[in-house]
Amino acid sequence: QLQLQESGPGLVKPSETLSLTCTVSGGSIGSSSYYWGWIRQPPGKGLECIGNIYYSGSTYYNPSLKSRVTISVDTSKNQFSLKLSSVTAADTAVYYCARHRSSGWSPYYFDYWGQGTLVTVSS
Amino acid sequence: EIVMTQSPATLSVSPGERATLSCRASQSVSSNLAWYQQKPGQAPRLLIYGASTRATGIPARFSGSGSGTEFTLTITSLHSEDFAVYYCQQYNIWPPWTFGQGTKVEIK
Repeated sequence: QLQLQESGPGLVKPSETLSLTCTVSGGSIGSSSYYWGWIRQPPGKGLECIGNIYYSGSTYYNPSLKSRVTISVDTSKNQFSLKLSSVTAADTAVYYCARHRSSGWSPYYFDYWGQGTLVTVSS
Repeated sequence: EIVMTQSPATLSVSPGERATLSCRASQSVSSNLAWYQQKPGQAPRLLIYGASTRATGIPARFSGSGSGTEFTLTITSLHSEDFAVYYCQQYNIWPPWTFGQGTKVEIK
């Protein structure tokens, strides 16, 4: 059974960089049918897709966050990571990693999710 | 960016009854639509993709329909474990992949 697990600091200071890692187990991040994505959910609010990455390193980012986001992959560790720079209180959210089912170069829907990790931006 | 609008925001239903949830896209997304269920403190779970195909392990009481801009998720005979928030998500035009704001199905 595929499992995803987010890890990283739960508290980040304003203007600093949020860094999270997702470790994939029970399957290979190098599978050709999937991208690997990050989604966030502010407390009590809806879901926002941040972006995703293919095992080759190809990425797609949400245009609204593109200037601040970097997603990278480490196939040797079966991990992918998120960096979000210049954070503010508005970036406080539960951050999920998820498998993004794709067809060719087109990512579609998210079929496996991590449990999520709350990141609070506060001084 | 495609805007997804769900209605109603909250749906009060008695156990055993039928729930009908709506999702509207700001422009056509063909059948490239998924539905998710989220319970408090949990990650979303994929229910439906391709507008009407149930994901692995999803009970037959969940069904999806629609295409273009109008979609429906129907839950026949609500079970206690079905009370949750439901989200639609389009994957026709991206980035970004966009979600609706959610419909909360609560016990009447």
